[in-house]
Amino acid sequence: DIVMTQSPDSLAVSLGERATINCKSSQSLLYSSSNYLAWYQQKPGQPPKLLIYWASTRESGVPDRFSGSGSGTDFTLTISSLQAEDVAVYYCQQYYTIPPITFGQGTRLEIK
Amino acid sequence: EVQLVQSGAEVKKPGESLTISCRGSGYSFSSYWIGWVRQMPGKGLEWMGIIYPGDSDTRYSASFQGQVTISADTSISTAYLHWTTLKASDTAMYYCTRHPSGTLHPYHIDLWGRGTTVTVSS
Repeated sequence: DIVMTQSPDSLAVSLGERATINCKSSQSLLYSSSNYLAWYQQKPGQPPKLLIYWASTRESGVPDRFSGSGSGTDFTLTISSLQAEDVAVYYCQQYYTIPPITFGQGTRLEIK
Repeated sequence: EVQLVQSGAEVKKPGESLTISCRGSGYSFSSYWIGWVRQMPGKGLEWMGIIYPGDSDTRYSASFQGQVTISADTSISTAYLHWTTLKASDTAMYYCTRHPSGTLHPYHIDLWGRGTTVTVSS
């Protein structure tokens, strides 16, 4: 199974500042010029929501302060200017090898 | 509106059986994979398995193989997650998920149901 490891486990950032979450996979997620990596946001009491897929494609309706980057085994989710509504747990997920789809352990983002 | 509508919360006893459901609406149900994700209280996301309703291709995580059964009925655009014998450790939130389809391969999750809470307690 592909193991997804996120860092840090938790993060506190001031409003308006940049937040960066990292995700490392145990094997490359790159195939035919596409990285099989997605990012999700889960707010308390809600299901997760898709933010980014193919490592860097923003889902429709997601604010452009959210961006994804990286390739191969190392990926990053960046929130360029943190807003109060961005407080949530963020998960990366690989869909390169199925079964199983695997998620990172999650990163809890809070306001400093 | 494109959505996945899940069945309501369940409270069961250990040893009982259970089936929860997920109805897709507003899109072609047969053309997208439907998966199931478990989230235990206060924990992260665990992928259980997935089905392509168009041909019933079903794949399971090794952790859940033999513990649950995933099925789908295209005539009513509904997928199911079934337990034959529940355990207290099955207490969790269960989400159904929709995945766009590549060639024989599901992609990312582009739609989530609101979840079904299952509580197993004697």
